Amino acid sequence: GENVEQHPSTLSVQEGDSAVIKCTYSDSASNYFPWYKQELGKGPQLIIDIRSNVGEKKDQRIAVTLNKTAKHFSLHITETQPEDSAVYFCAASYGSSNTGKLIFGQGTTLQVKP
Amino acid sequence: DAEITQSPRHKITETGRQVTLACHQTWNHNNMFWYRQDLGHGLRLIHYSYGVQDTNKGEVSDGYSVSRSNTEDLPLTLESAASSQTSVYFCASKSGSGTDTQYFGPGTRLTVL
Repeated sequence: GENVEQHPSTLSVQEGDSAVIKCTYSDSASNYFPWYKQELGKGPQLIIDIRSNVGEKKDQRIAVTLNKTAKHFSLHITETQPEDSAVYFCAASYGSSNTGKLIFGQGTTLQVKP
Repeated sequence: DAEITQSPRHKITETGRQVTLACHQTWNHNNMFWYRQDLGHGLRLIHYSYGVQDTNKGEVSDGYSVSRSNTEDLPLTLESAASSQTSVYFCASKSGSGTDTQYFGPGTRLTVL
């Protein structure tokens, strides 16, 4: 069945350093790849997403890259700040087009040390 | 402001009891989803709906049911709660067209003793 693998499960960086989280997916028909940030006690919040017709997308300190051939995508956070500390989830769409169904990775706990 | 809410935020129940978790959104979104979140598994889809009177099973639907009588609400029912259903439950909604973004509620922490 469809699967998304996310690595690493935990990541600790110094403030100002960069953080990279990687995901691989199994369904070659996946065409939408969102990243969510979840703070303690809250629901996941979309921070950036990318569609399959784009290789890279940036939004200030956050960027996502997609390699459809290799079926992997990555989240890059530059100049990390303590408020970036949270759990990050990647996801990939599955099923027929526009179903909205997502399969999620296992999550990465990011700790940014001041 | 439009939003998505869940109630209760915390619930403790006993094995075998029926439990209903509420989800309400004010965006007028057609698509609504229920997920459970467990350590090591991320979020897994339980049930989803594309509109009034439409419901569909997700990847972990056994022991759960939903109903959609209006656009705003998608209650999740555990017919006979089991300890394996102890989890954090999230509801999400998405517009039926034009965007892929799912908006999540704050979650309900359910403990089954």
